[in-house]
Amino acid sequence: DTAVSQTPKYLVTQMGNDKSIKCEQNLGHDTMYWYKQDSKKFLKIMFSYNNKELIINETVPNRFSPKSPDKAHLNLHINSLELGDSAVYFCASSPLASGELFFGEGSRLTVL
Amino acid sequence: TQLLEQSPQFLSIQEGENLTVYCNSSSVFSSLQWYRQEPGEGPVLLVTVVTGGEVKKLKRLTFQFGDARKDSSLHITAAQPGDTGLYLCAGKETSGSRLTFGEGTQLTVNP
Repeated sequence: DTAVSQTPKYLVTQMGNDKSIKCEQNLGHDTMYWYKQDSKKFLKIMFSYNNKELIINETVPNRFSPKSPDKAHLNLHINSLELGDSAVYFCASSPLASGELFFGEGSRLTVL
Repeated sequence: TQLLEQSPQFLSIQEGENLTVYCNSSSVFSSLQWYRQEPGEGPVLLVTVVTGGEVKKLKRLTFQFGDARKDSSLHITAAQPGDTGLYLCAGKETSGSRLTFGEGTQLTVNP
């Protein structure tokens, strides 16, 4: 069973389009995250939700909007895609107390 | 945001060699984690160190947390091609639950 699953794994789209990435975890964790990994492999946190409530919102353009319908799901919607949005986006979850992260396989977004 | 610097950024060695990766900061962390990431996959947690001076071993991997909890090292003995990957350290801030990642060390072990 996949613990943290995100879809799609690959996404190629044109500038200006709107796209969504979905994430689900079956670990029973309270906290979920979105991270962005750039071409230099640097992992940067974007958002964190604890039990459906937003707790971390880094300096991310408001074209990025996370949505958590329940504590097992955290989706990421991106409006008006730009070339600089090309990256691998990772969903992760953690039990709040330890903060140890369990990552999905990543969604590689390419904006043309 | 507390910063973490990893060195070296790239490391290419022959099978059987030993190596050490460093993770340094001027800030104190409540704990520090090490992850390994393979191509096309997400990072996977290897270990968490919590106490200053703590040493943890995972088979041929030895992790150490600095006495002041500002730095950490990962030592691999007799590296194997299967150790190839991106090694990331991540520090948990003393206030709050935010985790800050280092820039990563890309290790290649050649047969």
